[in-house]
Amino acid sequence: GENVEQHPSTLSVQEGDSAVIKCTYSDSASNYFPWYKQELGKRPQLIIDIRSNVGEKKDQRIAVTLNKTAKHFSLHITETQPEDSAVYFCAATNNAGNMLTFGGGTRLMVKP
Amino acid sequence: SAVISQKPSRDICQRGTSLTIQCQVDSQVTMMFWYRQQPGQSLTLIATANQGSEATYESGFVIDKFPISRPNLTFSTLTVSNMSPEDSSIYLCSGGENTQYFGPGTRLTVL
Repeated sequence: GENVEQHPSTLSVQEGDSAVIKCTYSDSASNYFPWYKQELGKRPQLIIDIRSNVGEKKDQRIAVTLNKTAKHFSLHITETQPEDSAVYFCAATNNAGNMLTFGGGTRLMVKP
Repeated sequence: SAVISQKPSRDICQRGTSLTIQCQVDSQVTMMFWYRQQPGQSLTLIATANQGSEATYESGFVIDKFPISRPNLTFSTLTVSNMSPEDSSIYLCSGGENTQYFGPGTRLTVL
């Protein structure tokens, strides 16, 4: 089955700096890679996703890149703000409507 | 997008009892899923709730402990049976056609 590794487990940045979270996956059949943000006590919220037919996707301050050959994908957050502080999870699946395999999560702390 | 609700939002139960968690989606979805999230940990898939057939369980999870129903394309239930303190966790359901949306979770504490 699929295995997703996520690094780092914790990340502390100064407000305004960039943050990068990296994930690797094992199953070459995976073709859909969503990222979720989970604030304390809240549900995981989809923030961005990418499908295997594109290499990069951007939405305002967040972007995701995908390298299918190397089987890794990354989340980039620019101009970080304190409200970006949360746990971020990457995930992978072979079908957008199918079950997700999650990475271990990254706790991002943005210091004002 | 899909809007997913769950109830109860939290419960405190005695060991040996059972709790049924309900998950409602505001639109029809082919597949629904149940996850468990221990405090400070990632999400672990319990099972896929299939409409019209038995649920598909992941390794380490069995039907006798976590029976699941899926009577239609917008609703599912997960029962945590014969609970022990080790079952204390957050249980989340998800669903969606083009991506997965999550319910708010059910925080279960077993004494």
